[in-house]
Amino acid sequence: QVQLVESGGGVVQPGGSLRLSCAASGLTFTSHGFHWVRQAPGKGLEWVAFITSDGSTQYYPDSVKGRFTISRDDSKNMLYLQMNSLRAEDTAVYHCSRDRAVSYFDSWGQGTLVTVSS
Amino acid sequence: ELVLTQSPATLSLSPGERATLSCRASQSVGTYLAWYQQKPGQAPRLLIYDTSKRAPDIPARFSGSGSGTDFTLTISSLEPEDFAVYSCLQRNSWSWTFGQGTKVEV
Repeated sequence: QVQLVESGGGVVQPGGSLRLSCAASGLTFTSHGFHWVRQAPGKGLEWVAFITSDGSTQYYPDSVKGRFTISRDDSKNMLYLQMNSLRAEDTAVYHCSRDRAVSYFDSWGQGTLVTVSS
Repeated sequence: ELVLTQSPATLSLSPGERATLSCRASQSVGTYLAWYQQKPGQAPRLLIYDTSKRAPDIPARFSGSGSGTDFTLTISSLEPEDFAVYSCLQRNSWSWTFGQGTKVEV
């Protein structure tokens, strides 16, 4: 079955950078777009980034645009999220998820915790 | 900017009762609405997509309905494992928005 496993979370100071990774298996990686979704402690889900199946286009909400970059390595079945200029409000569990029909997300990873604190 | 408002914030029910959860959009969004269930420490689980289609392996007690700006998730008879947080999701242009969630508690 589809498995998505995130890694790379940790504690980082405000203004710092972090790169998250998501290893995908059990699917034809190049057939799918992928998203990153985060959930701050005690809060709801927030969409963070989307990359198309061919990697040619990326989309972001205003809250992270210009600071976060989503990318993929199809040779390794890997998805990434480069996060720069981190702020306290970026503290959250970050999940990768598979896109379906550019409409909803069907498979999710368990997430990796990012804590931005001095 | 699309806003999805879920109500109520908390729903207190007993096993066997019917749960009706609402998701209202700030603008018409067609029928591409999805619902997720999330338990503490777990990833979200897709229940419903395209407003009313059940995801694979989702029990028939879960159903979705609605159109335009008003959508509903119904759990016909609550099982003990159904007590969780439920969130709706909608795409608008190239942006995806979640509702803030409804907690179904015992």
